[in-house]
Amino acid sequence: AQTVTQSQPEMSVQEAETVTLSCTYDTSESDYYLFWYKQPPSRQMILVIRQEAYKQQNATENRFSVNFQKAAKSFSLKISDSQLGDAAMYFCAYRRGSNYKLTFGKGTLLTVNP
Amino acid sequence: GAGVSQSPSNKVTEKGKDVELRCDPISGHTALYWYRQRLGQGLEFLIYFQGNSAPDKSGLPSDRFSAERTGESVSTLTIQRTQQEDSAVYLCASSLESRGSYEQYFGPGTRLTVT
Repeated sequence: AQTVTQSQPEMSVQEAETVTLSCTYDTSESDYYLFWYKQPPSRQMILVIRQEAYKQQNATENRFSVNFQKAAKSFSLKISDSQLGDAAMYFCAYRRGSNYKLTFGKGTLLTVNP
Repeated sequence: GAGVSQSPSNKVTEKGKDVELRCDPISGHTALYWYRQRLGQGLEFLIYFQGNSAPDKSGLPSDRFSAERTGESVSTLTIQRTQQEDSAVYLCASSLESRGSYEQYFGPGTRLTVT
C-alpha cells in the first residue's frame, strides 16, 4: 500500500523568508501524481501545486515550487517570500495514475511570523 | 461557478443517534468523494462515486456508514448509531474526471461531534 510521510508536524517562518516542507512517499508504481494541499482554518482544502511523476521538471506556481526527487521518493514544497496568508496546514498527497484515491500525509502546520 | 458545498457546517449529536451529511458537488463533475479527517490527522478516503457506476465503498470503516448519490448531483453520507470515535470533519470533493491529473475540489466540510 502507498504511504505518505510528512516528518515535520510544525514549521515556522518569518514573513518574506523561504521555508521548505518535506514529504516522502512509498510506491512501486511508475505512473502517479503528487499534490500539495493547503488547509486554512476555514477547513477548505485548496490545491497548491501538482507534479506528474513522468515529468522531470519541477512544478512551480508563483511563490510555490517543488523539489521532486523520484529516485529518493521525495517531494518537498518550497514557499518563497512567505506571507501571513500562507499560514495553514499543508498536506502532501499521492494518487496512482490509474486510480482516483488520494493518500494523504498527516500534515505540517505552518506558522508565519510577522 | 459555485464550489462544492456541504451542510451542515457543524453537527453535534448524542451517541447512538443517526446523522446525515450532505454534499452538493460542482455542476458537471462526474466524480464525487467523501473523506474523513480526524483531529491532527490527514484525510482518509471513505467512498467514491463515478457517474452511474457502482460506488467504491472500500474506505467505509463499518456498516454503520453508508452513502448515496443521485445521478451526478447531491450525495448524502449517513452514519447510524453514532459513536464517539466518529467525531471528525467529513469532507466532500468532486472532480470532472477521476483519472489523470484532474483536480479534486473540496468543500468546507462538516464537523461532527458525538457527545
